Amino acid sequence: EVQLLESGGALVQPGGSLRLSCAASGFTFSIYVMSWVRQAPGKGLEWVSSIHDSGVSTYYADSVKGRFTVSRDNSKNTLYLQMKNLRAEDTAVYYCAKDDSMDVWGKGTTVTVSS
Amino acid sequence: QLVLTQSPSASASLGASVKLTCTLSSGHSSYAIAWHQQQPEKGPRYLMKLNNDGSHFKGDGIPDRFSGSSSGAERYLTISSLQSEDEADYYCQTWGTGWVFGGGTKLTVL
Repeated sequence: EVQLLESGGALVQPGGSLRLSCAASGFTFSIYVMSWVRQAPGKGLEWVSSIHDSGVSTYYADSVKGRFTVSRDNSKNTLYLQMKNLRAEDTAVYYCAKDDSMDVWGKGTTVTVSS
Repeated sequence: QLVLTQSPSASASLGASVKLTCTLSSGHSSYAIAWHQQQPEKGPRYLMKLNNDGSHFKGDGIPDRFSGSSSGAERYLTISSLQSEDEADYYCQTWGTGWVFGGGTKLTVL
């Protein structure tokens, strides 16, 4: 079964850091673009970051550029999102998704930024 | 700039059909998109990839009631024989010069 499972969400204070993980199974992880998408409470889906199959090329939304870093470990079939200098507006459910068309989604992990 | 535009809301009666629209910004009318469904309190679910020629490729387990079509810069999602569980938010999404979501359409089944 093709599956993505996010973890690492937590309550964190403004200015804090957090690392999210996304464990993939059931497909050849190393050949696909992978992305992070978030959804703030009551809002729509927002693309956050993507990384090409090799991990060499990475892309970020302007709202997170310079604060978030996406990476992947193809030997572990795992995608990561390192988040630094977190702000209240980063509060959201974070999803990972497979391929450009996001044809597989995880169930999400919740990040709450609050003092 | 790559932008996807969706109407915020739509409604249709149980058993009827509804056609949702996603419009690509100027200069991007050849782009493929994907449609995703998000039922209340659930995560997104991939419905299909829709090409500019109208060909579409649905995800596993997506009922035949869901279909896609294209015309110019417009991409459509048609849901026939509406059921109560179709009440959800529907997002279009594309990629190319970055990855982009439309604002979503909230579908109410009356």
